Order: sequence, then structure tokens, then C-alpha cells
Amino acid sequence: KAGVTQTPRYLIKTRGQQVTLSCSPISGHRSVSWYQQTPGQGLQFLFEYFSETQRNKGNFPGRFSGRQFSNSRSEMNVSTLELGDSALYLCASSFLGGLGEQYFGPGTRLTVT
Amino acid sequence: EDKVVQSPLSLVVHEGDTVTLNCSYEVTNFRSLLWYKQEKKAPTFLFMLTSSGIEKKSGRLSSILDKKELFSILNITATQTGDSAVYLCAAMRGDSNYQLIWGAGTKLIIKP
Repeated sequence: KAGVTQTPRYLIKTRGQQVTLSCSPISGHRSVSWYQQTPGQGLQFLFEYFSETQRNKGNFPGRFSGRQFSNSRSEMNVSTLELGDSALYLCASSFLGGLGEQYFGPGTRLTVT
Repeated sequence: EDKVVQSPLSLVVHEGDTVTLNCSYEVTNFRSLLWYKQEKKAPTFLFMLTSSGIEKKSGRLSSILDKKELFSILNITATQTGDSAVYLCAAMRGDSNYQLIWGAGTKLIIKP
């Protein structure tokens, strides 16, 4: 079974721009969660989507948004990028959802200059 | 403010040693405690603990949760170089809106 895939793997953007990251979950998994990982703040939960609906949400500003499609693929969008948004963005999928046992993708490394 | 604190932050031991990693939490509406292993980028799931005092085991790894004292430990016996990684714990909180609050991790290095 193929694992969680994320595209692109690396991305460089300029302050003020927006960016869209993509995540394809393991086949059959209906839940996709997004996380931000930085050296200073560690791993932080962004949000979870299940069956195309945002089910759980962390404490990030509205510039961070997401969506999930009918095939369970998910996208995360960050608008008006700031230098502090530079991070590794991880997505994770699970069959049952609810932030229990999750399978993580390799991440997208975003650098904002 | 919710927080999850892991200790030690880093640990160097020799192959064959036994290690104990600690995770304490202060989280409102606590639901579960999870452990993950992060070797390069993608964390891999180890355990989820919901009930206090019940040990979960998987091979040389085991973990237990104490909901009264608000902590969990992860034990690794007969360590191998392949156990070298960052070990992360996370507390799940919430009622209708669930969140994971992550610790900073313990970096474990196993010397041959």
C-alpha cells in the first residue's frame, strides 16, 4: 500500500505571496491532518479534515486554510506569507480519524524569503 | 495554557542499555497520550494511551500512562542503533474540537 504523499517537497516563496500544498492520503483513509514543524515551536496542529469537512482545528490564524476533496486528497493554503511561516509542513492520514493513530507523509519544506 | 513537557531533551546511551523517556502534560479536557518516533521527517506512530495504569507493549518498547500524576513514560529495552531518533509525545485534548499538543521531543542517540 502506498504511503502518504506530499507535493511539492520543497518550496521557496517570497513574503506576501500565497502557497498551496497538497497531500494524498493512504488509500482508504478518509481523515487528513496538517501540522507545522519548526525548530522553535516544534510540531503544531493546524487542522483535520474528514469526509471533506473540517472537523478539528488548532490555533492558527485565518491565513492558514485547507480543504479536502471527494477522493480524500487535501490541500493546505497559506495566504500573505510571513517569514515565520518557514517550516516543515507535515500531513497525516488515518482511517478512523480523530487524531489517534496517524500515518505521516514526508513533508513539504517551505522557505519564505 | 496547555503544555506538554518531555525530558530529557537529549540522551546518549550505548547499545544494549535500557532507556526511559518522560512526558508530562497539563492539558484541559485531556483525552489520550500518544507517542511517535521521528527519524528523518515523517513521525511514525508507536502508542496511544487512554487508560491509566495499563501498559502497552510492542517488542522492546513499552509505555504507560498515569492520569493522576499527569505523565507518561516510554521504555526501550536492549537498545539498538536503529532506535536512534527523536521521540515525540502528544496530548490529545478537546470536547467537540480535538487538538494535539506536542512536546518538544527527546533526541535519543544509541552508540554502538
